[in-house]
Amino acid sequence: GENVEQHPSTLSVQEGDSAVIKCTYSDSASNYFPWYKQELGKRPQLIIDIRSNVGEKKDQRIAVTLNKTAKHFSLHITETQPEDSAVYFCAAGQGGRTGNQFYFGTGTSLTVIP
Amino acid sequence: EAQVTQNPRYLITVTGKKLTVTCSQNMNHEYMSWYRQDPGLGLRQIYYSMNVEVTDKGDVPEGYKVSRKEKRNFPLILESPSPNQTSLYFCASSSYRGNEQFFGPGTRLTVL
Repeated sequence: GENVEQHPSTLSVQEGDSAVIKCTYSDSASNYFPWYKQELGKRPQLIIDIRSNVGEKKDQRIAVTLNKTAKHFSLHITETQPEDSAVYFCAAGQGGRTGNQFYFGTGTSLTVIP
Repeated sequence: EAQVTQNPRYLITVTGKKLTVTCSQNMNHEYMSWYRQDPGLGLRQIYYSMNVEVTDKGDVPEGYKVSRKEKRNFPLILESPSPNQTSLYFCASSSYRGNEQFFGPGTRLTVL
């Protein structure tokens, strides 16, 4: 099956700096790559996603890049703010005849220092 | 309000006592999934479904059952819970055309 690896597991940045989180996947059948933000005690919420036919996607301060050949994708957060502090998860998704399979990374705990 | 609901939110039980965690969505979504979240392991998919009576095993299905008799509901059944099923469980749903998953609030299960 699919294997998604996520690095780093923890990340601390100064407010205003950029943060980058990287993920790799193993199965070329994966074609959908969402990123979720989970605040303490809350449910995961989608912040951005990218499909395998796109190389980059941006939404205000957040961007995601995908390299299909190398099987890796990254989350970039610019001008970080304290409210960006949370755990971020990457995932790789595969659509099939019976539904959608998702494989998640192990998470990155981001701390933005004011 | 569009939402995914789960019940109960917290449950403490004993080994071997059958339990069901309910999940319901009001967005008319075809796709639904169950995940468990454990420290250091991220979220792992237990079962998923693309519509009524269509379900399939995810990455960690052992010890769990599901059913999808109605489009809006997707209960998770633990026939004989064991301590290694102590975890935080999330239900999620998504539409047919899109893949964005909307998660429920989570159910924290402790099996003694």
